[in-house]
Amino acid sequence: GAVVSQHPSWVICKSGTSVKIECRSLDFQATTMFWYRQFPKQSLMLMATSNEGSKATYEQGVEKDKFLINHASLTLSTLTVTSAHPEDSSFYICSARDEPKGTNEQYFGPGTRLTVT
Amino acid sequence: QKEVEQNSGPLSVPEGAIASLNCTYSDRGSQSFFWYRQYSGKSPELIMSIYSNGDKEDGRFTAQLNKASQYVSLLIRDSQPSDSATYLCAVKGPNAGKSTFGDGTTLTVKP
Repeated sequence: GAVVSQHPSWVICKSGTSVKIECRSLDFQATTMFWYRQFPKQSLMLMATSNEGSKATYEQGVEKDKFLINHASLTLSTLTVTSAHPEDSSFYICSARDEPKGTNEQYFGPGTRLTVT
Repeated sequence: QKEVEQNSGPLSVPEGAIASLNCTYSDRGSQSFFWYRQYSGKSPELIMSIYSNGDKEDGRFTAQLNKASQYVSLLIRDSQPSDSATYLCAVKGPNAGKSTFGDGTTLTVKP
């Protein structure tokens, strides 16, 4: 149980285009999902907390107009990187909390490696 | 001061030894504590969660929590080369919507 999937697993796009990443909780409902970014050999950095049916909460320094988050259902959250630039190239990882379980445990998706050329 | 602090390492132990990973946190009201393992190029994987003072054992892993000292640790017995990874400590307070992660400790187990 507690499986989180992400799609795509990797993507290459040209500078100036937008990329959408999907995060799904496969066997549980998640009212809260989290989006992280991780550069090579660096720490996990929380970008935003995605709340089902409401606006996402962004961490300080993260541009909400550049990183659009939609959490339209209890099993799906999407992150859209708009007007991507090479500096946005990173490993994007989502995580979901199995709320009904009540343990506060977070389960991570396999990540999406984005390369902007 | 960071909310969750871990020694960055690298920590190197010989195969078969006990690896000890430590984590301190600043929010005294924290109630949920987690250890994640992250292999290079992969996403983190939950390996242990602990909520009350004392020890919690799961196979070769033991998590230890001391709320008075605001300290949580992870012991890995009979360390194997496959345990070589970065270990992340995460802490969640009762009213926080998110868990706060440490920067991780890199463990290398040498054959």
